[in-house]
Amino acid sequence: EAGVAQSPRYKIIEKRQSVAFWCNPISGHATLYWYQQILGQGPKLLIQFQNNGVVDDSQLPKDRFSAERLKGVDSTLKIQPAKLEDSAVYLCASSYTGGPGEQFFGPGTRLTVL
Amino acid sequence: GDSVTQMEGPVTLSEEAFLTINCTYTATGYPSLFWYVQYPGEGLQLLLKATKADDKGSNKGFEATYRKETTSFHLEKGSVQVSDSAVYFCALSDTQGAQKLVFGQGTRLTINP
Repeated sequence: EAGVAQSPRYKIIEKRQSVAFWCNPISGHATLYWYQQILGQGPKLLIQFQNNGVVDDSQLPKDRFSAERLKGVDSTLKIQPAKLEDSAVYLCASSYTGGPGEQFFGPGTRLTVL
Repeated sequence: GDSVTQMEGPVTLSEEAFLTINCTYTATGYPSLFWYVQYPGEGLQLLLKATKADDKGSNKGFEATYRKETTSFHLEKGSVQVSDSAVYFCALSDTQGAQKLVFGQGTRLTINP
């Protein structure tokens, strides 16, 4: 079974530029999550989708971050414009259903904002 | 809101030593508890979980018991190996709303031969 795919693996941009990350979850997984992991900290949920609807985006900085999951499969997370403090690893995860079941994580995208 | 506190790292041990990584949580309800592990160059993966009080999760020689009275979920292994070197994250499933995972800050473990 293929795991969660993410691209790119690494990205370096200047502040005020825009960037987009892509995630393809495990086939059949209805729930998709985007987490931000700042160096030395645990992952923090940015947004959770159930199929193509948003379940929780309470910690998403909506003035600069946006995410979509068209057709309920793959998803894109965008930052525009980027700030220095956005430097982090962005993790995508999926699960068969929401709730306290196991989440499967992708390898992450390491973003550096200069 | 719900939160998780882990023992600070890094932790360095010799091979075959006994391991404990402390984890305590704050939650208004009865969350499920998890340990995730991140090996070098790899993504996070579930190590073990417990869904109710007094449950013991176990996998790959690691164990953790859900202790409601002390709000703890400490990770233990009797004899660690070099291959256990990784970052370990304690997490709970939020008891409110969409039950998202709330992670601790992680503990980096290095095992020397």
